[in-house]
Amino acid sequence: AQSVTQLGSHVSVSEGALVLLRCNYSSSVPPYLFWYVQYPNQGLQLLLKYTSAATLVKGINGFEAEFKKSETSFHLTKPSAHMSDAAEYFCAAWGNTPLVFGKGTRLSVIA
Amino acid sequence: DAGITQSPRYKITETGRQVTLMCHQTWSHSYMFWYRQDLGHGLRLIYYSAAADITDKGEVPDGYVVSRSKTENFPLTLESATRSQTSVYFCASRRQSSTDTQYFGPGTRLTVL
Repeated sequence: AQSVTQLGSHVSVSEGALVLLRCNYSSSVPPYLFWYVQYPNQGLQLLLKYTSAATLVKGINGFEAEFKKSETSFHLTKPSAHMSDAAEYFCAAWGNTPLVFGKGTRLSVIA
Repeated sequence: DAGITQSPRYKITETGRQVTLMCHQTWSHSYMFWYRQDLGHGLRLIYYSAAADITDKGEVPDGYVVSRSKTENFPLTLESATRSQTSVYFCASRRQSSTDTQYFGPGTRLTVL
């Protein structure tokens, strides 16, 4: 069965610093991969998705992620963190079953 | 407005009572999903539906019942609520293709006393 692991339940960065949120998936078949963001008291919204096209995927709000099959990873990055990026981030994968989510990483941005 | 809505947004109930959470989408999406979100567990799939009158279990279906008589509605019922069902519940929908974006509702925060 598909599983998704997010390394680090909480990540803190300074404003202007690089954001790196890690995601690894397990699958013998390359899945479709997604990053969602959740702001407090809201539902999830899509940041970006990988669907077997370009391995470097650009999303909203300056985020991007790179699909690396050899590492079974789909890490999320942003060159310069902004205070408004503080939120919970979820990596998700779709193989042959409905979307499976990681446990989430809470991003804090320090002024 | 088009979109996906959930009602109620907040609900407090007592152990043993029946509770129904509503989900409505205006896009005529084929697929609809129910997740629960708990600290330390992320989002876990309860039930999903590929079309009207077609439903299937997810990871944590015990204690829940779903139905889908119309494409746009996907209610989730807790037949006899337990304290372990205190959670935030999210409904989601997407079109037919698994590469399509899955859209989420705003959530229902349920507390079972």
